[in-house]
Amino acid sequence: DSGVTQTPKHLITATGQRVTLRCSPRSGDLSVYWYQQSLDQGLQFLIQYYNGEERAKGNILERFSAQQFPDLHSELNLSSLELGDSALYFCASSVAEGPQHFGDGTRLSIL
Amino acid sequence: DQQVKQNSPSLSVQEGRISILNCDYTNSMFDYFLWYKKYPAEGPTFLISISSIKDKNEDGRFTVFLNKSAKHLSLHIVPSQPGDSAVYFCAANFGNEKLTFGTGTRLTIIP
Repeated sequence: DSGVTQTPKHLITATGQRVTLRCSPRSGDLSVYWYQQSLDQGLQFLIQYYNGEERAKGNILERFSAQQFPDLHSELNLSSLELGDSALYFCASSVAEGPQHFGDGTRLSIL
Repeated sequence: DQQVKQNSPSLSVQEGRISILNCDYTNSMFDYFLWYKKYPAEGPTFLISISSIKDKNEDGRFTVFLNKSAKHLSLHIVPSQPGDSAVYFCAANFGNEKLTFGTGTRLTIIP
């Protein structure tokens, strides 16, 4: 158990819809990262937050947004969903110096 | 632009023997390298890491070697056990920023 909690585990929805994925980091970790893993691909970095502030952005679509709340949990919002958004979405957290620890992911299926 | 490459999609090793997983990188700015292990339906689990100022780091059965001049790192598992069967991802970053992942190597330990 990495200590990073992601909900829900599975999400099935239709094209054009909007969903919210939630992540609770490990206790004490200020940094939260979001990654996307599409079929047979490596993990692709989306966005990082540090103590409530956006720290870095990767290949995140404009239809996607994220935020980190005062209690340090984070949400990833995906809107106007397309078939190609079907993927595993992972959240990771870390202390300032140290490895990132991952949750078990949310599997998003767009029908 | 694949900055971290794992050129072997799969590897099979007899139980008790040494497993060697390889990884190459192109970005000289990387200063921290990590190996993650991933089982199906779970998130990546951190295994071992190495800073660019070192050339070897050992933790139990796992040893990571870094050759900066060749931009190459490897993970050695000795002795290999059936529970080691999983997908292994090499990852790298600098300044505690986003991780850049390889596409993974599926390791199968044959009893």
